[in-house]
Amino acid sequence: GAVVSQHPSRVICKSGTSVKIECRSLDFQATTMFWYRQFPKQSLMLMATSNEGSKATYEQGVEKDKFLINHASLTLSTLTVTSAHPEDSSFYICSASSGLRGRGNTIYFGEGSWLTVV
Amino acid sequence: KNQVEQSPQSLIILEGKNCTLQCNYTVSPFSNLRWYKQDTGRGPVSLTIMTFSENTKSNGRYTATLDADTKQSSLHITASQLSDSASYICVVSARGSGNTGKLIFGQGTTLQVKP
Repeated sequence: GAVVSQHPSRVICKSGTSVKIECRSLDFQATTMFWYRQFPKQSLMLMATSNEGSKATYEQGVEKDKFLINHASLTLSTLTVTSAHPEDSSFYICSASSGLRGRGNTIYFGEGSWLTVV
Repeated sequence: KNQVEQSPQSLIILEGKNCTLQCNYTVSPFSNLRWYKQDTGRGPVSLTIMTFSENTKSNGRYTATLDADTKQSSLHITASQLSDSASYICVVSARGSGNTGKLIFGQGTTLQVKP
């Protein structure tokens, strides 16, 4: 069964509104979660690293004020797309890492969330 | 520049046949290499993970190899099934701070298995 749960799996929102996507780690605590977006037929692109209890680290070119990330607990991180525009329509995926610092720990991906902005 | 390149970009095979997917990387310092299977519209699912000292690792009909000297990895699928149709992504982790380091994703190989 899934060890990282994302919700919602699909969401349609109107241009200018905000939408929140949740990422939960099941059965393990994840001090770090990652948020990706994926356009059709392209690879995953890291947007930001979400650290529990501290501010997220955004990749170059990702607007922190547009993509708000909150990692309020060891099992939950949220991504809020603010003032969404049609070009924000994409597949958003989170991942969480179990295990300790170092080599070989497993990274679990969520099932992803399809966002369509109309 | 840290890069992961996969080949072929896409592949069509008949059910029951074997196939091999390639992954070349230029990532330093190297931490580990992972192969993921991603069905269309779903999140990636881990198939294998290998560290520097591991040369091969199997997961059912999937066998991954790693040559850390030439910085090449392959994913061999045996006796393909229709359900193997998916994108296969090679992900290399660069050693760094934190518990996962930095992940560098390949573009993926899209495999289509036909009956």
